[in-house]
Amino acid sequence: GENVEQHPSTLSVQEGDSAVIKCTYSDSASNYFPWYKQELGKGPQLIIDIRSNVGEKKDQRIAVTLNKTAKHFSLHITETQPEDSAVYFCAASINDMRFGAGTRLTVKP
Amino acid sequence: NAGVTQTPKFQVLKTGQSMTLQCAQDMNHEYMSWYRQDPGMGLRLIHYSVGAGITDQGEVPNGYNVSRSTTEDFPLRLLSAAPSQTSVYFCASRRNPGQHYGYTFGSGTRLTVV
Repeated sequence: GENVEQHPSTLSVQEGDSAVIKCTYSDSASNYFPWYKQELGKGPQLIIDIRSNVGEKKDQRIAVTLNKTAKHFSLHITETQPEDSAVYFCAASINDMRFGAGTRLTVKP
Repeated sequence: NAGVTQTPKFQVLKTGQSMTLQCAQDMNHEYMSWYRQDPGMGLRLIHYSVGAGITDQGEVPNGYNVSRSTTEDFPLRLLSAAPSQTSVYFCASRRNPGQHYGYTFGSGTRLTVV
């Protein structure tokens, strides 16, 4: 089955800086790559996604890039704010969805 | 819309006891899944269903049963609870499995087996 690896496991940045989280996947048939944000005590919430026929997608301060040849994709958050502090998960999907282990992002004021 | 509703929010079981975690969605989503979340291991797929009457195993199915008699409900049964099943359990649903849509997650059930 699909295997998703995510790095780093923890990330601390200063408010206003950028944050980058990277994921790799193993199954070249995967064709949908969502990113989730999980705040303490809550379920994960979809923040952005990208499909395999697209190389980059942007939504305000958040962007995702996909390199199908290398089988990796990344989440970029610009102008970070304290409310961006959370655990972020990447995932890869053909039908069922497999998740990375998560990145705990801390944005220091 | 309520989205995905999970009950209970918290549960403590003794080793060997059985219980059912409830999950219901009101979005008419065909696809539903159960995940468990453990520290440092992300979300691992237990079982999933692509529609009423159809279920399949995920990465970590042992010790769990599911059924899907209606589109709305997807209960997860623990047959004989073990301490290794202490975890946070999330139910999730999404639209048509042939398309690509993100999951809507419930708020989770925190289960402790003593």
